Amino acid sequence: NAGVTQTPKFRVLKTGQSMTLLCAQDMNHEYMYWYRQDPGMGLRLIHYSVGEGTTAKGEVPDGYNVSRLKKQNFLLGLESAAPSQTSVYFCASSFLGAENTEAFFGQGTRLTVV
Amino acid sequence: GENVEQHPSTLSVQEGDSAVIKCTYSDSASNYFPWYKQELGKGPQLIIDIRSNVGEKKDQRIAVTLNKTAKHFSLHITETQPEDSAVYFCAASIPNFGNEKLTFGTGTRLTIIP
Repeated sequence: NAGVTQTPKFRVLKTGQSMTLLCAQDMNHEYMYWYRQDPGMGLRLIHYSVGEGTTAKGEVPDGYNVSRLKKQNFLLGLESAAPSQTSVYFCASSFLGAENTEAFFGQGTRLTVV
Repeated sequence: GENVEQHPSTLSVQEGDSAVIKCTYSDSASNYFPWYKQELGKGPQLIIDIRSNVGEKKDQRIAVTLNKTAKHFSLHITETQPEDSAVYFCAASIPNFGNEKLTFGTGTRLTIIP
């Protein structure tokens, strides 16, 4: 079992460029989440999905879009990258909602926007 | 929404001593409180959790206590070892009919001094 796999692991973007971060899980989990981690601010939820074909906004959704076309994949898109989006991005998945089961995290994607 | 505060932001203890990390939450409806450990270059991993109907939970050298009246919970690590060095995050979750989300604290960087 690979668990939760994020692609890519590192990326440098120029301001205004677009990119997609891919998250794949092989645990048949219903719930998937995208977080960003910034120094001194912990993990903040960007978007999440409670099942295939559904998405919802989290705490800091502006500037990001997501899609969950397949149960095992959760894509995070940046349409026009800004320096404020420089961060480490983590994807997570869980079998049930946050209060019921453990969330499994990927290893993160370090994104720098210059 | 929920707000979770975590203290201290950094903590250094001598190997073999105990470490305590404290968190407070704002919403009295929160009923699930996990703790995650993040090692360098990795994603967070669940180490222990507690639900609001329990006051204390222990797993070998780690324990978590919950005071619902004061709305705070703490992580206790005894007989610390070098491998305990990591960033620790507390979190809280409010019941929401399958739409529960974790709100994380800002993290504590724990360093064990050999």
